[in-house]
Amino acid sequence: DTAVSQTPKYLVTQMGNDKSIKCEQNLGHDTMYWYKQDSKKFLKIMFSYNNKELIINETVPNRFSPKSPDKAHLNLHINSLELGDSAVYFCASTSWTENTEAFFGQGTRLTVV
Amino acid sequence: SQQGEEDPQALSIQEGENATMNCSYKTSINNLQWYRQNSGRGLVHLILIRSNEREKHSGRLRVTLDTSKKSSSLLITASRAADTASYFCATDHGNNRLAFGKGNQVVVIP
Repeated sequence: DTAVSQTPKYLVTQMGNDKSIKCEQNLGHDTMYWYKQDSKKFLKIMFSYNNKELIINETVPNRFSPKSPDKAHLNLHINSLELGDSAVYFCASTSWTENTEAFFGQGTRLTVV
Repeated sequence: SQQGEEDPQALSIQEGENATMNCSYKTSINNLQWYRQNSGRGLVHLILIRSNEREKHSGRLRVTLDTSKKSSSLLITASRAADTASYFCATDHGNNRLAFGKGNQVVVIP
């Protein structure tokens, strides 16, 4: 069973479109993240949720809107996509109360053309 | 070494040699974690070392933590071709934030 799963794995879309990436974890974790990895492989935290509550919003444009319907899901919706949004987006989860490692999804490679 | 302002480092070694990479951070941490990323894949957790620990081992991996210098090192002993990957350190600062360094690209030549 996949611990953290994201869909889709690949996403190619035109500038100006709106798209969503979904993430689900079956580990019972209380904290979920979205990270953006650029072409230089730098991993930048975008959002952190704890028990469905937004904890961190790292100066991400308002076009990015995370939604956590429950503790096991954290989706990312992106409006008016721009060329600079092209990157690999990773979802991750962890148990903050137990101070343990994070588990990552396989990533979504977003290409905006 | 991995720091906020440097480009990712690259390391090329022969199979069987040891690989050492470093990580530095700026503010106090709860723990520090090392991850591996194979090309085109997600990140896989390797080892976690807590702020009150100084050294930890896991198989061929050895991690040290020096909180006075705010630095950590990852040593891979007897490297194998399968160790070729990018290695990242991540710091847990206790505020639901897990911050990553820029990574080290390691290439192990058979």
